[in-house]
Amino acid sequence: GENVEQHPSTLSVQEGDSAVIKCTYSDSASNYFPWYKQELGKRPQLIIDIRSNVGEKKDQRIAVTLNKTAKHFSLHITETQPEDSAVYFCAASEGIGNTDKLIFGTGTRLQVFP
Amino acid sequence: GAVVSQHPSWVICKSGTSVKIECRSLDFQATTMFWYRQFPKQSLMLMATSNEGSKATYEQGVEKDKFLINHASLTLSTLTVTSAHPEDSSFYICSALRLAGGGETQYFGPGTRLLVL
Repeated sequence: GENVEQHPSTLSVQEGDSAVIKCTYSDSASNYFPWYKQELGKRPQLIIDIRSNVGEKKDQRIAVTLNKTAKHFSLHITETQPEDSAVYFCAASEGIGNTDKLIFGTGTRLQVFP
Repeated sequence: GAVVSQHPSWVICKSGTSVKIECRSLDFQATTMFWYRQFPKQSLMLMATSNEGSKATYEQGVEKDKFLINHASLTLSTLTVTSAHPEDSSFYICSALRLAGGGETQYFGPGTRLLVL
């Protein structure tokens, strides 16, 4: 089955700097890669996702890149703000034949200092 | 759009009792819902996939007789933790699968915090 690794586990940046979180996956058949933001005690919120037919997607300060050959994808947050502080999870869908099951990475705790 | 609710938001119960958690998709129909468990400072671990009108599919290591799942309609799935014990204390989160933007996306409920004494 799919296995997703996420790095780093914690990330501290100064307000205004960029933050990059990286994930690798094992199943070459995976074709959907969402990123979720979870604040303490709250539900995970989808912030951006990418499907395997594109290499990059951007939404304002957030971008995701996908390298299918290397089986890794990354989240880029530019001009970080204190409200970006949260735990971020990457995920990858399982391969063909499943029911859109997601396998999550271990999470990255991002702290943005004012 | 894509609102998912969960009830209750938290529950405290005595060891040995059963607890039912509801997951509802409020503004869309979901033939597939998922149940996750999250321990403090850990990731979301998929417990089972709930399919409307059929039996749930459980992940390896998850006891189907202990975690009963019923997906009775296109907007409601329930998880019953039977004979709960302290080790079952956790944050239980559901998600509902919605078709959008050329693909399907999971939207999460707010979670249910279970404490078994």
